[in-house]
Amino acid sequence: DAGVIQSPRHEVTEMGQEVTLRCKPISGHNSLFWYRQTMMRGLELLIYFNNNVPIDDSGMPEDRFSAKMPNASFSTLKIQPSEPRDSAVYFCASSGGTARNEKLFFGSGTQLSVL
Amino acid sequence: RKEVEQDPGPFNVPEGATVAFNCTYSNSASQSFFWYRQDCRKEPKLLMSVYSSGNEDGRFTAQLNRASQYISLLIRDSKLSDSATYLCVVRSLKDNAGNNRKLIWGLGTSLAVNP
Repeated sequence: DAGVIQSPRHEVTEMGQEVTLRCKPISGHNSLFWYRQTMMRGLELLIYFNNNVPIDDSGMPEDRFSAKMPNASFSTLKIQPSEPRDSAVYFCASSGGTARNEKLFFGSGTQLSVL
Repeated sequence: RKEVEQDPGPFNVPEGATVAFNCTYSNSASQSFFWYRQDCRKEPKLLMSVYSSGNEDGRFTAQLNRASQYISLLIRDSKLSDSATYLCVVRSLKDNAGNNRKLIWGLGTSLAVNP
């Protein structure tokens, strides 16, 4: 399996622009997570889906952020409009194990820089 | 107080040394515990789960102390390739939908193994 695939690897944009991050989870995994990582705050869960349904979006910073999972093999995280404080590494992860032994598989991340 | 706290380090040790990291958590009802490893500019990867009785995987030993609410990771005979950031992860209680998925991440402890 190719693992969790994220695109793009790097994104540089100007403040106010729309940014769309993409994720393809591991085939057969039923849970998908979007995380943001910064030096100051570490890894923060933004939202997670179970069987394509958003379960917990309490970590989404504000209305500028939205996430969708139209099918089991694809998810997007959109920021509109983007701001410099959104600069971070955004990771997508998927899992499919039991609750006790659940293991997260992360994608390589998207390094977002908003100028 | 943060839910999961780690000494950020960096820990600088020579090859062959034994090094130990601790991690404290604030929620006494936390159920599951993990150590993840993150190399520079890479995604986190599961190193090992932490079980109540303690567990060992080669040179790595993980311990859980529920009374004092901390977990530890011991690395014996450290290698240059062990240089990375080690993330302590704790799973909280079930969410309102009964899903047992919310992971709380520490900021990580940086380890540098020197020749």
